[in-house]
Amino acid sequence: RKEVEQDPGPFNVPEGATVAFNCTYSNSASQSFFWYRQDCRKEPKLLMSVYSSGNEDGRFTAQLNRASQYISLLIRDSKLSDSATYLCVVNSPTGFQKLVFGTGTRLLVSP
Amino acid sequence: EAQVTQNPRYLITVTGKKLTVTCSQNMNHEYMSWYRQDPGLGLRQIYYSMNVEVTDKGDVPEGYKVSRKEKRNFPLILESPSPNQTSLYFCASSSRQDSTDTQYFGPGTRLTVL
Repeated sequence: RKEVEQDPGPFNVPEGATVAFNCTYSNSASQSFFWYRQDCRKEPKLLMSVYSSGNEDGRFTAQLNRASQYISLLIRDSKLSDSATYLCVVNSPTGFQKLVFGTGTRLLVSP
Repeated sequence: EAQVTQNPRYLITVTGKKLTVTCSQNMNHEYMSWYRQDPGLGLRQIYYSMNVEVTDKGDVPEGYKVSRKEKRNFPLILESPSPNQTSLYFCASSSRQDSTDTQYFGPGTRLTVL
């Protein structure tokens, strides 16, 4: 089983739509969770950290469900510029802490 | 401007010809790492460094070497490249040694080994 699993998509949505991605992780001891955004073959950039109580940043809402070991990202009022791949990232507390990246979920927002 | 730079951005080489990909950051970060990204496999860590002269293997270190003689630089060395090292490589840095802080990535190096 992969440490971090995501639906690769693509998710095709029209502008203005609301879309949600989920990501599951296997290590129950993980403590840090992030969503990164990656435009086509460019470098990943931090979109937002995910906190236990859930957090919001403008049109983006991230939530964590420790019991079921998944995190989610909700995007409201999708823009064309939201088209990208969204990477779920979890820290792996095995010895020296490191980050484990999911393979990403691709989002395509159309006019 | 705070940034991570990598060179070269694109490289086509032949099997067995030693090469070095440079990485430099200007944010005084202690933690640096190298990743490779392949379709369907996501980003996988090759090596990381917690500080000057402190490096360790990540998940896929075979065929790679690194050094950290200065805080700002973390070059990736392929002593004898092979076609299975054809990939997109990213260098990253962060301020915290435990890597749970924001990772800042370089623009990537697209390597093709023939």
